[in-house]
Amino acid sequence: EVQLVESGGGLVQPGGSLRLSCAASGFTFSSYSMNWVRQAPGKGLEWVSYISSGGSPTYYADSVKGRFTISRDNAKNSLFLQMSSLRAGDTAVYYCAREIPGAWDPWGQGTLVTVSS
Amino acid sequence: IQLTQSPSSLSASVGDRVTITCRASQAISNYLAWYQQKPGKAPKLLIYAASTLQSGVPSRFSGSGSGTDFTLTISSLQPEDFATYYCQQFKSYPLTFGGGTKVGIK
Repeated sequence: EVQLVESGGGLVQPGGSLRLSCAASGFTFSSYSMNWVRQAPGKGLEWVSYISSGGSPTYYADSVKGRFTISRDNAKNSLFLQMSSLRAGDTAVYYCAREIPGAWDPWGQGTLVTVSS
Repeated sequence: IQLTQSPSSLSASVGDRVTITCRASQAISNYLAWYQQKPGKAPKLLIYAASTLQSGVPSRFSGSGSGTDFTLTISSLQPEDFATYYCQQFKSYPLTFGGGTKVGIK
């Protein structure tokens, strides 16, 4: 079964840092580009970052550029999102998603990041 | 590229035909996907390339359109279809989503 499982979310103070992980199983992780997307409470979906199958290139939404870093470890079937200088506006459920031609499938179950003092 | 979904919400009955539209601010060919999201769950892919049904998705779901105007249709609404639906463009980064359409029970 193709599966993605996020971890690493939690409560962090404004200005703090957090590292999210996404563990992949059931498919050849190194063959797929991956994305992070987030959803603020009660709001819609916002793409955050992209990484190609080999680790380069990477892309970021303007809202996180310079603060977030996407990376992957193909040997460990894992995707990461290093988040720093966190703001209240970064509070959201963060999902990782596998990119297939023309869509994302599947998505992980999500991990909640709350930025608050 | 901005995606505008309409309506933002609707109420319908089981068995109804439901149509949701998604308009792109510029032409995106057929680079459009549709997702279903239920409360507390991750989005699920329904349709990609504007009209291709993802494996395992019931045939009552269909998609159409090209260029700037797209449609998701549920031919006969079932109880498990009450959810929020999002369109997403794959033409260029930053990838963007429509604002969502919440399908509720009448």
